[in-house]
This record gives sequence, C-alpha cells and structure tokens, in this order.
Amino acid sequence: GIQVEQSPPDLILQEGANSTLRCNFSDSVNNLQWFHQNPWGQLINLFYIPSGTKQNGRLSATTVATERYSLLYISSSQTTDSGVYFCAVTPSGDNQGGKLIFGQGTELSVKP
Amino acid sequence: DAGVTQSPTHLIKTRGQQVTLRCSPKSGHDTVSWYQQALGQGPQFIFQYYEEEERQRGNFPDRFSGHQFPNYSSELNVNALLLGDSALYLCASSWGQPSYGYTFGSGTRLTVV
Repeated sequence: GIQVEQSPPDLILQEGANSTLRCNFSDSVNNLQWFHQNPWGQLINLFYIPSGTKQNGRLSATTVATERYSLLYISSSQTTDSGVYFCAVTPSGDNQGGKLIFGQGTELSVKP
Repeated sequence: DAGVTQSPTHLIKTRGQQVTLRCSPKSGHDTVSWYQQALGQGPQFIFQYYEEEERQRGNFPDRFSGHQFPNYSSELNVNALLLGDSALYLCASSWGQPSYGYTFGSGTRLTVV
C-alpha cells in the first residue's frame, strides 16, 4: 500500500520563526489534506490540496503531485501553532470510499 | 453550521466489555468514517459508511462493527474489549462517493482497564 512519510518528526521554534513541514507519498493520490491536531485531539482541516498551491493567512501549502510530495509553510509562528501536523492522502487507485492514509505527523512546539 | 459531533468525550471500560460510540456528521454530509488513533501515532482507518452500508473497511477485526442511520449519524461498536483498544476514536464526515475533503470531530477517548 501507499506510504506516507512526514519530516521532521519533531520541531521546536521560537515564536516569530518560519518553518516548512514535508510530506512524501509513494504513489499517486486523488486527495491530500493537511491537518492540525489540537491538544484536545481534534483534527482541524488546514488544506485540501491534491495539487497546486493554497494560502490561508500565515499558512500556505504546495503539492507537487508529479514528484509525490507536499509542503506546509508556517510563517511568523505563534504559540497557538503548537501541536501535531498530519498529512493524509487517498491513493488514486481508491475509487470506493476514499479513505485517508495518514503519516506519522510532525510535532511542532513554538516557544514564547 | 454544526460540525461533527461525537459522544461521549471520554469513556472507561473493563476488558471484555462492549462499547458504543456515536457520531453526528456535519450538516450536508452523508458519509461517515471512523478512525482509531493510538498514542503518538497517526489515525488508522477503521471503516466508512454511506447510504447505511459499509463501503470500505480497514485492517480491523470483526469485533469492530458499525451502523449508519437514515439521518446519516453513525455508531461504532467494539465487542470483547482488549487493553490494546485504548485509543482516541475519531469520526470524520464528508459528502458523496468517493469522498474527499473530510471534517473530523473531537473524538472519544476510550480507556480499557
């Protein structure tokens, strides 16, 4: 099955710094989403981005489907950005329900 | 616009017991998926329901079963609980088949003792 690898596994930043999180996937995908898991466990959808570039405030994401990777950029980080960031994909061969396959996540800690 | 609602938020059960978790999808969504997230891991797909039928299933034993009701809400049932079933159980809703663009609930944290 498809493999989803995220890097780095952990990241510690000073408030105000910028960061880039990476997601590599081993096969073509129909769906790619970035999530932020807050301390209470809820997965907050950041981007639905199977290809191209999107921006939402201080966050932006780029997916290069032909090279099988996606990047999540966080600029001017804030302490509230702390948490675990997950990349999740649906393989192109999945024409049924479209289940998500998650990476192991990047745990981000932003220090004041 | 209500998001995905899960209940209960926390639950403690004894090994061997049975448990039922509930999920109400986001307004306008008709598909419900369930995920299990062990501590320190990414969520793992359990199954998905659409039109009251199980459409896809992950690598989980038959002890895990589910149901979807006509109003699109869903239940996850786990029988003969094991210590290893302790996890955060997440419900996600979406629209149509195949589904893309999922919205997740806050989860039910199940502890088996």
